[in-house]
Amino acid sequence: GENVEQHPSTLSVQEGDSAVIKCTYSDSASNYFPWYKQELGKRPQLIIDIRSNVGEKKDQRIAVTLNKTAKHFSLHITETQPEDSAVYFCAASESSYGGSQGNLIFGKGTKLSVKP
Amino acid sequence: AAGVIQSPRHLIKEKRETATLKCYPIPRHDTVYWYQQGPGQDPQFLISFYEKMQSDKGSIPDRFSAQQFSDYHSELNMSSLELGDSALYFCASSRRRLAGYEQYFGPGTRLTVT
Repeated sequence: GENVEQHPSTLSVQEGDSAVIKCTYSDSASNYFPWYKQELGKRPQLIIDIRSNVGEKKDQRIAVTLNKTAKHFSLHITETQPEDSAVYFCAASESSYGGSQGNLIFGKGTKLSVKP
Repeated sequence: AAGVIQSPRHLIKEKRETATLKCYPIPRHDTVYWYQQGPGQDPQFLISFYEKMQSDKGSIPDRFSAQQFSDYHSELNMSSLELGDSALYFCASSRRRLAGYEQYFGPGTRLTVT
């Protein structure tokens, strides 16, 4: 089955700096890679995702890159703000339009702390 | 926009009791997923339903069962509760027929077994 590894487990940055979180996956059939932000005791919130036919996607201060050959994908947050502090989870699944849609396999999470 | 609704939000049970968690997906979403998240852990997939039929099964104990009803809401039934079942239980929904990808999570049910 799919296995997702995530690094680092904790990350501390100064406000305004960039943060990068990296994930690797094992199953070459995986084709959908979302990132979730979770604050303590709250629900995971989808912040950005990427599909295997795309190499990079950007949404304001957040970007995700995917390298299918190496089976790894990364989350980049620029100009970090204290409200970016949370646990970030990467995930992988095998999904297809109108067809099978796999469950999400999560990485272990990265606790991001942004110091003012 | 309407979100996933879960009830109850908090539940306290004793060992060996039963519990029922409910999930109401986003309107027009046809797929429901259940995840279990222990303290400091990542969410673990339990089970999913598409169009009221079981779709995938993950690490769901035999003591747990679930179903999806005609109105697409889903219930997770947990019997013979153990201390280790204490966790956050999330329901997520997606619209497989059209989009097929994004899963949106509900607020979760915090289950405490004493």
